[in-house]
Amino acid sequence: GDSVTQMEGPVTLSEEAFLTINCTYTATGYPSLFWYVQYPGEGLQLLLKATKADDKGSNKGFEATYRKETTSFHLEKGSVQVSDSAVYFCALSVWTYKYIFGTGTRLKVLA
Amino acid sequence: EAQVTQNPRYLITVTGKKLTVTCSQNMNHEYMSWYRQDPGLGLRQIYYSMNVEVTDKGDVPEGYKVSRKEKRNFPLILESPSPNQTSLYFCASSLGGYGSGANVLTFGAGSRLTVL
Repeated sequence: GDSVTQMEGPVTLSEEAFLTINCTYTATGYPSLFWYVQYPGEGLQLLLKATKADDKGSNKGFEATYRKETTSFHLEKGSVQVSDSAVYFCALSVWTYKYIFGTGTRLKVLA
Repeated sequence: EAQVTQNPRYLITVTGKKLTVTCSQNMNHEYMSWYRQDPGLGLRQIYYSMNVEVTDKGDVPEGYKVSRKEKRNFPLILESPSPNQTSLYFCASSLGGYGSGANVLTFGAGSRLTVL
């Protein structure tokens, strides 16, 4: 069945460090891929998305590229800030009603 | 402000006492869904609704009911809660359909439920 696998956390980085959070997926059909972010005490909010192979989603300095050949959608940011501390979820949607989320990766950025 | 509103935000109850978590959205979205978030398991879909009077099971529907009598509301009902339903619950909505942005979810702030 469809699934999303993302790297275990927590990830602890110093401010201005480079961030990578790995995400791979298995899906039938042609999924859309997402990264959602959850700040403490809040619901999830969309960070970025990509709807087809080779698309690059970007927002707030974060980027992820839809790689069909490696079934991956890794999240990257060149220089993290303390305010980026949150839980990050990789997700896919094969149809507009079916969503699969990864287990989440907690990021902690130290000043 | 466009939003999804859930109530209550926090609830402690006892085994077997029926409860309802309400969810309302003000964006005229077609699609609504419920998820539970558990440590190490991420978010799992409980039920979803493509439109009024159209609901279907997600991956973990056991012990839950939903209804969609109006477009804006999608309550989650626990007829006889058990301790294994202790969790953080999220309601979400999206435009639905097949256009750009159709499947981008807007989430509520969450409802933390404890069943003793």
